This record gives sequence, C-alpha cells and structure tokens, in this order.
Amino acid sequence: EPEVTQTPSHQVTQMGQEVILRCVPISNHLYFYWYRQILGQKVEFLVSFYNNEISEKSEIFDDQFSVERPDGSNFTLKIRSTKLEDSAMYFCASSEVRGVGATKTEAFFGQGTRLTVV
Amino acid sequence: AQSVTQLDSHVSVSEGTPVLLRCNYSSSYSPSLFWYVQHPNKGLQLLLKYTSAATLVKGINGFEAEFKKSETSFHLTKPSAHMSDAAEYFCVVSDQGNTPLVFGKGTRLSVIA
Repeated sequence: EPEVTQTPSHQVTQMGQEVILRCVPISNHLYFYWYRQILGQKVEFLVSFYNNEISEKSEIFDDQFSVERPDGSNFTLKIRSTKLEDSAMYFCASSEVRGVGATKTEAFFGQGTRLTVV
Repeated sequence: AQSVTQLDSHVSVSEGTPVLLRCNYSSSYSPSLFWYVQHPNKGLQLLLKYTSAATLVKGINGFEAEFKKSETSFHLTKPSAHMSDAAEYFCVVSDQGNTPLVFGKGTRLSVIA
C-alpha cells in the first residue's frame, strides 16, 4: 500500500542550526502538508503546498520556515535557525486532488520526524 | 472557525468490552470529520471519515462513528476492544474538506487484559 515516508525518524540539532526535514509523499498526490506536535500538545497545521507554491500557512509558519519540492518526489521543510521551542514531532502528509473543483481527499500522514533542539 | 473537543484525555477499558471515545466539533460550514489513530512510534493512520454521505461511518479494525449534527458530535465506538487497539486517537475536523485539518488533543486508549 502506498505510504508517506519521512526521514530522518529522529533529528537532534544545536540551537541556531539549520535543519531540513524530508518527506516523500504518495506518488499521485498533489497536495502536501506539514503539521507538528509539541510534546503533550495538539497536532498543529503549519503549511500546505499545491502546484509548486504555498496555498495556506498558519501563524506558526514564520520566516524561519520554508518548504520546497526540489524534485518530482521529495517535499522538504527547512527551519533556518532552530530554537528550543521548535522541538516537536513533525508530520508530513499528502492528499489527492479530485474533480473540477480540485477538492482534496483525506490526508495520509507519514510516521513523523522527532526534532530535538538542544 | 472550526474546533474539536475530545472530552477524555485517557480512556481505559478491559479487553472484549465496548469502546467509546467522545468528540464534539464546531464548524461554520458542512464539516468533514475524521478519526486518526497513532500507535507508538508510528504515523497517523486514518480510521474513518465522514464527508456528508451516510451519518454512520464504518472504518477499519471494527471501528465506527456516527455524525450527529444536532449534538455536534462524532463519537468513535467499537463493540469489543482488542489489546492491539491501545493507541492515541485523534478526532479531526475540516470545513468542507478544503481547509487545513484541525485536530483534537487526542484520547489515549488503554486496553487491560
């Protein structure tokens, strides 16, 4: 069964360093997302990406964050200068687009990357 | 704006007994509603979804949920719990299926032998 894959599963980084979290969405999906879950808190939306551009983003997704689809299969989240409060589980997700109205189907999630900033 | 309230942070049941995980939502439009499950060190797996078709939705692993508009609820049930059902369960809402998913805080289900 097709699945979303994320690498690495766990990343430890020094405060102030740049990190790139990688995701391979399901191959025929066109909508991509990043969500995060700080320990003990809700899963929160960060950003959605469609047609090679950001379609929506939350207040969390500030200038420190960026997303990219560098090739036909990868979707990355970059955090330029990590802070302690960026420590969280980061989930990538993807969904199909169907119909004339480009309605998204349900999102399929990866297993997450646990980011620890020290 | 949409929101989700999962009324119990932790539910504990005995193996073979029914499971009820409660969820209430708030949405300005016709919502799409989902239940996702997260097993330890695993990703978020879709259990079932409601998208304005039948109000009683059947999902994987014997779970089902009923959309009740009058009560703004979407409770998750299973007739008989199995040890493998122990996990974190998230109720999720999306307005008309085209806005970002909004997650509840999650309910941790424990199953006792």
